Amino acid sequence: SAVISQKPSRDICQRGTSLTIQCQVDSQVTMMFWYRQQPGQSLTLIATANQGSEATYESGFVIDKFPISRPNLTFSTLTVSNMSPEDSSIYLCSVEVSGGGSSYNEQFFGPGTRLTVL
Amino acid sequence: ILNVEQSPQSLHVQEGDSTNFTCSFPSSNFYALHWYRWETAKSPEALFVMTLNGDEKKKGRISATLNTKEGYSYLYIKGSQPEDSATYLCAFSGSNDYKLSFGAGTTVTVRA
Repeated sequence: SAVISQKPSRDICQRGTSLTIQCQVDSQVTMMFWYRQQPGQSLTLIATANQGSEATYESGFVIDKFPISRPNLTFSTLTVSNMSPEDSSIYLCSVEVSGGGSSYNEQFFGPGTRLTVL
Repeated sequence: ILNVEQSPQSLHVQEGDSTNFTCSFPSSNFYALHWYRWETAKSPEALFVMTLNGDEKKKGRISATLNTKEGYSYLYIKGSQPEDSATYLCAFSGSNDYKLSFGAGTTVTVRA
C-alpha cells in the first residue's frame, strides 16, 4: 500500500486565478496520476504524471490548463490555471503499487482537494 | 470513454439490514474490476480487485461478485452499520494497463 497526502485539502478561489495542488507519497512510485470528480460525475483521469518528462494528458485535458510537475518519485503538483466555476471539483492524486508476483497492481488515492471557484 | 454504470445512485438502509447494489461495465476486453469505499474528507479505500469471471471476494461484512460475461458486479453489505455509510465506487480496466474508468458511485446512508 501507499500513504498519500495532498495540500490543500480545500480552497475557495476567485475566477481567473490559479491554484497549485501538491501530492506527496510515503514511498517511491513509478506511476502517479491526477483525477477530478465534478459534482455528480464520475472520477475522471486528467493525466499521468511522468517523472523526468512531460505529463501524459487524457482526451479533453491540456497542459496549458492543467500543468503538472513530477520532480521525483514521491512528489507531484497539479495546477488548475485561469479557473472558472466549471473547475469546481474534487481533485485527487493516486499512485499505482505493484501487487507482487502475479497479483494485479492496485491504485491508491490521496484524500483529495475540494476546490470551489466563485 | 468506457460506459461504467452504478445503480442505484443512492440508497438508505436501516441499521442491521443487508443491502446490495450493482456495477455494469463493458463485457468485452475485460481485465479487472475494482471496488472502492469513499468516505467524505478521506481517501478512497480499495476494497476489492477482481479479475476472473465468477470471482467472489469478502472483507468482513462486505462481499462482491463478478460476472465478466454479462458485464456486472454486485457489492453486498451484510448487517449494515452506520460506519458503512460512504460512497462505493467501481472502476473497470479493459486492458493490462493502469487506466481505470469509474462509475459515478452509489452513496449508502445507514440509519441508526
